[in-house]
Amino acid sequence: QKEVEQNSGPLSVPEGAIASLNCTYSDRGSQSFFWYRQYSGKSPELIMFIYSNGDKEDGRFTAQLNKASQYVSLLIRDSQPSDSATYLCAVKGRAGRRALTFGSGTRLQVQP
Amino acid sequence: EPEVTQTPSHQVTQMGQEVILRCVPISNHLYFYWYRQILGQKVEFLVSFYNNEISEKSEIFDDQFSVERPDGSNFTLKIRSTKLEDSAMYFCASSDGYSNQPQHFGDGTRLSIL
Repeated sequence: QKEVEQNSGPLSVPEGAIASLNCTYSDRGSQSFFWYRQYSGKSPELIMFIYSNGDKEDGRFTAQLNKASQYVSLLIRDSQPSDSATYLCAVKGRAGRRALTFGSGTRLQVQP
Repeated sequence: EPEVTQTPSHQVTQMGQEVILRCVPISNHLYFYWYRQILGQKVEFLVSFYNNEISEKSEIFDDQFSVERPDGSNFTLKIRSTKLEDSAMYFCASSDGYSNQPQHFGDGTRLSIL
């Protein structure tokens, strides 16, 4: 069974701080990694994706991938109350497969 | 920005009835997907569709489910003989032809089975 694990939280950070969200995955052959934000009762909204080892930055967001450790993270700089949501890590498996396996999500609370 | 649209936003159906959930994927996308999320649980993959056929499906996607692209724009999920446990949010997603590109999700249909 291919698993994606996330700490359910809540992760509470003060406004303006850096929030660090982590995800591990079990399938070593996984190729692409995605972070989605989900507000309560809403659909997943794409934040970032990464498929090469290292860091990828987009505005206040940085995704980090370490395939050897089977670990992917999302950093949110200058956290805002509007960032309060559940962050879903999703993993696409081996070549030829397109299904995303989702983690259960980490709930982030940004305190004003 | 182009988006995936889903209708209806909420569907209430009696147990044992058939439902059809509709989706209009992003126009230049080639791959279409259905996921579901039972309240309080993970988002789960159901099926992917490419070139007018199923390319991948999960164990959840059994004979009760079917998908179809009836015309050039719509993509549907049919659930036959609905059960109470089919109550969930159903999300349609689409992606372009490149394997590492992300899937973009619609707003979802909340299916309530009574």
